[in-house]
Amino acid sequence: EAGVAQSPRYKIIEKRQSVAFWCNPISGHATLYWYQQILGQGPKLLIQFQNNGVVDDSQLPKDRFSAERLKGVDSTLKIQPAKLEDSAVYLCASTPRPGIQYFGAGTRLSVL
Amino acid sequence: SQQGEEDPQALSIQEGENATMNCSYKTSINNLQWYRQNSGRGLVHLILIRSNEREKHSGRLRVTLDTSKKSSSLLITASRAADTASYFCATGGYSGGSNYKLTFGKGTLLTVNP
Repeated sequence: EAGVAQSPRYKIIEKRQSVAFWCNPISGHATLYWYQQILGQGPKLLIQFQNNGVVDDSQLPKDRFSAERLKGVDSTLKIQPAKLEDSAVYLCASTPRPGIQYFGAGTRLSVL
Repeated sequence: SQQGEEDPQALSIQEGENATMNCSYKTSINNLQWYRQNSGRGLVHLILIRSNEREKHSGRLRVTLDTSKKSSSLLITASRAADTASYFCATGGYSGGSNYKLTFGKGTLLTVNP
């Protein structure tokens, strides 16, 4: 069974630029999560999708971050414009039911 | 906000020794999970313990849960150099009725020296 796929693995941009991350969850997993992990900390939930609907985006900085999950499969997370403090690893996870989450390898973003 | 707090923040041991990591949390939970993260990689699920369970084993892993103290511990026995990684506890619960989510702690960095 293929795991959660994320791309790109690394991205370096300058502040005020835009960036997008892509996630393909495990086939059949209805729930998809995006997390932000700052160096030395644990993952922090940004947004949760159930199929193609948002169920929790309370911690998403909506003035600069946006996410969508068209057709309830792939998802993209966008930052526009990026700030220095957005430097982090962005993790995508999926799950078929409440419980264990399956994570992708993440995208490491550096904002200069 | 981070629900779980791991202790210690960093742990360095010799191969063959046991490693114990602790996690404390603040609110009621449905379950508690432990994940491992190797440097530069995603998180891998290790073990899940439900709120009505007190102890669980999986290979060289032993997890305990004390809901009265809101704490959990992860024991790795006979550690190996390959166990070097960051270990995170995550509390699982429902918010807003049916919305299940995990809240992660800051993690313990375990180094196992050959």
